[in-house]
Amino acid sequence: AQTVTQSQPEMSVQEAETVTLSCTYDTSESNYYLFWYKQPPSRQMILVIRQEAYKQQNATENRFSVNFQKAAKSFSLKISDSQLGDTAMYFCAFMILAGKSTFGDGTTLTVKP
Amino acid sequence: DAEITQSPRHKITETGRQVTLACHQTWNHNNMFWYRQDLGHGLRLIHYSYGVHDTNKGEVSDGYSVSRSNTEDLPLTLESAASSQTSVYFCASSRDRQETQYFGPGTRLLVL
Repeated sequence: AQTVTQSQPEMSVQEAETVTLSCTYDTSESNYYLFWYKQPPSRQMILVIRQEAYKQQNATENRFSVNFQKAAKSFSLKISDSQLGDTAMYFCAFMILAGKSTFGDGTTLTVKP
Repeated sequence: DAEITQSPRHKITETGRQVTLACHQTWNHNNMFWYRQDLGHGLRLIHYSYGVHDTNKGEVSDGYSVSRSNTEDLPLTLESAASSQTSVYFCASSRDRQETQYFGPGTRLLVL
């Protein structure tokens, strides 16, 4: 069974600064996918970024980037130039090749003006 | 535009009643999933389907059932609602098993 751990229940950052959210996972699988989802107060789950485990290059999407360390089973999300609209709950998720996903308990991020 | 919808968005029911939550997607995705999200926690997989007439149990399937009679719909049924099933329910779909899952807006269910 897979487990996903987000050790930071809450974080805050000043607008325009950079923040890093942590995620670790445990699995015996060698091929899998990792995701960060954003859940704003509307509760809609929004994909932020996706990483394939077989790719060594870290994924980036505009202001969002990841630090994927496969050996350490770590998958952190860096948000640069934080904006007020980034305030949300962020979930790290792990997906095996069969499509089943396991989610962490989330990190609530508050961006302060 | 293709989308995934859930209905109702909010539901209040009583203990012991049967409840069905609808999920409909217009992407023609093969895979569909049901999750529940309890306050302060991440999503947990209830049931999933890889295609018509295929259904599988997730990690928290007790008390829930699904059936897939067409590509577009995967209704979730609570056979006899319990207070422990008060939660927010999310439906998701993906084209292939390795593809990203896209989520519906959620259904907030309160069982009294």
